[in-house]
Amino acid sequence: DAGVIQSPRHEVTEMGQEVTLRCKPISGHNSLFWYRQTMMRGLELLIYFNNNVPIDDSGMPEDRFSAKMPNASFSTLKIQPSEPRDSAVYFCASSQGNGYTFGSGTRLTVV
Amino acid sequence: DQQVKQNSPSLSVQEGRISILNCDYTNSMFDYFLWYKKYPAEGPTFLISISSIKDKNEDGRFTVFLNKSAKHLSLHIVPSQPGDSAVYFCAAMGMRFGAGTRLTVKP
Repeated sequence: DAGVIQSPRHEVTEMGQEVTLRCKPISGHNSLFWYRQTMMRGLELLIYFNNNVPIDDSGMPEDRFSAKMPNASFSTLKIQPSEPRDSAVYFCASSQGNGYTFGSGTRLTVV
Repeated sequence: DQQVKQNSPSLSVQEGRISILNCDYTNSMFDYFLWYKKYPAEGPTFLISISSIKDKNEDGRFTVFLNKSAKHLSLHIVPSQPGDSAVYFCAAMGMRFGAGTRLTVKP
């Protein structure tokens, strides 16, 4: 298995633009998580899905953020419009039971 | 609301010595904890876990201790090696992470 795959690895965009981050979880994992890592707050849980259904989105900072999981093998995190304070590394992780496997992350820079 | 706290942003130890990383949590309902290690430009990787039915779990050089009454856990690395230099995250229930502690092991 190739692990959790995130794309793109790096994204630089202008303020106001829409950004879409993508994640392919490990096959067979039934939970998927989106995290944001910043220097000040470490890893923050944004949202997680169980069997493709959003369970807890209380970590999503604003309405500008949205996440979807149309099927068991794909999820997106969208920011529209993006702002400079959204600059961070965004991680996706998938899980089956108690073990979690992380992707390599997407480094987002909004200028 | 930081339910999991790692109050030391950094730690530096000499190779061969013990590294002790600490983590505190506020929610007494948390019953499963994990430690992750993260290298630059990579995602966190699972290191070791502990369930609340135990107070200690050991895996090679890594031992995690859990003190439920104090809502505190710690990760011990003995002996520390330069390759252990990374950021270590404590997580409760696999979802709530601390801010991380950067460990530097000096040769």
